[in-house]
Amino acid sequence: SQQGEEDPQALSIQEGENATMNCSYKTSINNLQWYRQNSGRGLVHLILIRSNEREKHSGRLRVTLDTSKKSSSLLITASRAADTASYFCARTGNTPLVFGKGTRLSVIA
Amino acid sequence: GAGVSQSPRYKVAKRGQDVALRCDPISGHVSLFWYQQALGQGPEFLTYFQNEAQLDKSGLPSDRFFAERPEGSVSTLKIQRTQQEDSAVYLCASSVGQGNTIYFGEGSWLTVV
Repeated sequence: SQQGEEDPQALSIQEGENATMNCSYKTSINNLQWYRQNSGRGLVHLILIRSNEREKHSGRLRVTLDTSKKSSSLLITASRAADTASYFCARTGNTPLVFGKGTRLSVIA
Repeated sequence: GAGVSQSPRYKVAKRGQDVALRCDPISGHVSLFWYQQALGQGPEFLTYFQNEAQLDKSGLPSDRFFAERPEGSVSTLKIQRTQQEDSAVYLCASSVGQGNTIYFGEGSWLTVV
């Protein structure tokens, strides 16, 4: 079963805008990882954030983690058409990576 | 190798046929995972190895599914007597160890007709 839930399920924005995706989970975590998946391709790792961290940055990506609310968010700034993909969060706790259904992001040029 | 490598990339099997999917993890990675991804869904966990030991196979959907990693490197996922509901992308991933970044391959696309 999928215990991570991304929100929204789909998001459509104009190029240059920021995109924010949220992820909630139900049980305790060791870390949380965000992935991108282009249509027909494998998963590309974006950022790993550990349970004792609150925020991490990588280029145009910013991930926050609130363990008290059991939630995380992924912010993509200054989006580009090439950012069009599905984005997944996955948590690691006592079990291997558990994924949600993902957010399908469409960036319109 | 440079990344996780999976083969075949695409497989069409007739219902009832056995298939074998291969995964070459990143060199030196201790942990290896198999996931199944249906169209429009997130990946679902199948099984997990640490070296040659299969530590968790709770996600395997039936006894027709079998995975092995005999020498702690290459892994094979075997599906016996394939059914149409087995059609999915099978993703392999590896990691240096627990709690570290998990890297995925491009997947093996299985279509059962």
